[in-house]
Amino acid sequence: AQKITQTQPGMFVQEKEAVTLDCTYDTSDQSYGLFWYKQPSSGEMIFLIYQGSYDEQNATEGRYSLNFQKARKSANLVISASQLGDSAMYFCAMRPIIQGAQKLVFGQGTRLTINP
Amino acid sequence: EAQVTQNPRYLITVTGKKLTVTCSQNMNHEYMSWYRQDPGLGLRQIYYSMNVEVTDKGDVPEGYKVSRKEKRNFPLILESPSPNQTSLYFCASSLGQLNTEAFFGQGTRLTVV
Repeated sequence: AQKITQTQPGMFVQEKEAVTLDCTYDTSDQSYGLFWYKQPSSGEMIFLIYQGSYDEQNATEGRYSLNFQKARKSANLVISASQLGDSAMYFCAMRPIIQGAQKLVFGQGTRLTINP
Repeated sequence: EAQVTQNPRYLITVTGKKLTVTCSQNMNHEYMSWYRQDPGLGLRQIYYSMNVEVTDKGDVPEGYKVSRKEKRNFPLILESPSPNQTSLYFCASSLGQLNTEAFFGQGTRLTVV
């Protein structure tokens, strides 16, 4: 069975600092995708970044990057130059890359607070 | 605008009174899913559908029903809601390419008293 673990229930960071949100996963699948979603206080789920298990380079999307260490089964989200608007709940999720598998397995989430 | 639309956004109901949460997507996606979000548990899949008339159970299907009569719509039905179904519910859709992200609706906050 697949499992995602986010060990930081809450994090507090000063504005403009970089922040790393931890995510470790457990799977026996050879092919899988890793996702990060942001959930602001308004409640919607916003896709941030994707990393495939066979991608050799770490994914980047603007201020977001994914520090993917396959051997350690970790997929940490790095937010550079944090902004007040980054305050939100962040979820790491995984999905196997096999036909018909449409389940995203989510971690418990990390609540990030950016202080001015 | 590409979107997944859920209704209602907020619902308070009483135990045992049947309710339906609607979900519609305008992206022609084959795959649709329902999740519930509870504090400390993240999101858990309730049901999913791979196409019209094809549905299957997720991790927490007890107490829920779904149907997929049209590609765009995937309603979630609670035949006899109970207080333990109080939660935040999300509908999601995605393409057949399995490495693409899922698009989520705005969420439905359900309270069963």
